[in-house]
Amino acid sequence: QLQLQESGPGLVKPSETLSLTCTVSGGSISSSNNNWGWIRQPPGEGLEWIGSIYYSGSTYYNPSLKSRVTISVDTSKNQFSLKLSSVTAADTAVYYCARNPCITCGMDVWGQGTTVTVSS
Amino acid sequence: QSVLTQPPSASGTPGQRVTVSCSGSSSNIGSRTVNWYQQLPGTAPKLIIYSSNQRPSGVPDRFSGSKSGTSASLAISGLQSEDEADYYCAAWDDSLNGRVVFGGGTKLTVL
Repeated sequence: QLQLQESGPGLVKPSETLSLTCTVSGGSISSSNNNWGWIRQPPGEGLEWIGSIYYSGSTYYNPSLKSRVTISVDTSKNQFSLKLSSVTAADTAVYYCARNPCITCGMDVWGQGTTVTVSS
Repeated sequence: QSVLTQPPSASGTPGQRVTVSCSGSSSNIGSRTVNWYQQLPGTAPKLIIYSSNQRPSGVPDRFSGSKSGTSASLAISGLQSEDEADYYCAAWDDSLNGRVVFGGGTKLTVL
């Protein structure tokens, strides 16, 4: 069964770039029509979509984060990645990766989430 | 402020039927399907309704979804203690070149 696992530093300094990777197991990241997304949840708050990528590389980003976000896919490693630049304390959150069977569909498989704290 | 509007809280007693509303606009719920997520404390969200009214395999039929115009609802019948969680609606929004938008979440308490 498909599983997703986030990995990356748990602590990032202000103004630096947050980098996370999501490893897909139990299936191919290149399988048909799947989009792969990042969602975050600040402490005590709701969910915020960051962006999604189609296995071919087409991307969709949250307009409020677009200037700072890059999502990429590495099919050889069955992974996709998130980079968020110029981070501030407001970027402190639990970051989840997830699969959308299509960009307008629900996200049906989620990683367990990884906590990222922005602090000096 | 979330693009989709949900009540911050809801409650019910075991066995009751409760509903959670989600209000949007013509660029999201009005023209797209709605998805609902359940988030138990300390865990990742779980998709419980997709395409406005479809249940993924394994989700009890106590959970149902509906949509009318620019609003959607999640109904939980035969409320159980394990249903106590945060519930989020979400939809694709066609504005600003397209994006996924979430509601602010509804905390459901089973009394």
